[in-house]
Amino acid sequence: EAAVTQSPRSKVAVTGGKVTLSCHQTNNHDYMYWYRQDTGHGLRLIHYSYVADSTEKGDIPDGYKASRPSQENFSLILELASLSQTAVYFCASSDTNTEVFFGKGTRLTVV
Amino acid sequence: GDSVTQTEGLVTLTEGLPVMLNCTYQTIYSNPFLFWYVQHLNESPRLLLKSFTDNKRTEHQGFHATLHKSSSSFHLQKSSAQLSDSALYYCALSDGPSSGQKLVFGQGTILKVYL
Repeated sequence: EAAVTQSPRSKVAVTGGKVTLSCHQTNNHDYMYWYRQDTGHGLRLIHYSYVADSTEKGDIPDGYKASRPSQENFSLILELASLSQTAVYFCASSDTNTEVFFGKGTRLTVV
Repeated sequence: GDSVTQTEGLVTLTEGLPVMLNCTYQTIYSNPFLFWYVQHLNESPRLLLKSFTDNKRTEHQGFHATLHKSSSSFHLQKSSAQLSDSALYYCALSDGPSSGQKLVFGQGTILKVYL
């Protein structure tokens, strides 16, 4: 089965600090995504990537950066974490004709 | 932009009763792909079923849904709820493979099934 691994699985960060969430996939998929999950909002797309060394803005990119150094790895970076960024973050991967496979999520709490 | 609406935040049912979770969507794309994802507690979302064919019923694991482009709907149904169906259900939309499988999700519906 397709595998998407996220690290860390949970993190507490201080307001104004830098946070990096990492994602690794072994599916050989070209597409990777970062979604944010909030109660009442569902899952919202933050950034995505079609190919290594290139990222695209999703629907809610403000306050987030992304990095895709290789096909397998995709990071989400919060340069200045804020309270409003407390959420569960899901990484996912897919190809053109496959379903989207999600990782187990990272629970981020900003205090 | 595209949007998906799930009107029920929480649906509670007794085991054995039928399930219907509502999903409507808005898109400018004429051939959207519609999906239902299920997320059990402390797990990741996983695909339950999908469709891009108008008026064709699609089924998986006892659940079924039919894409109706005329009403922009893709409701999820099951004839008899089971305790194990308790989970968070998301309806989602994409413009198809040309958009790289980017998904737009609804707000989600929690289904709780009781004895």
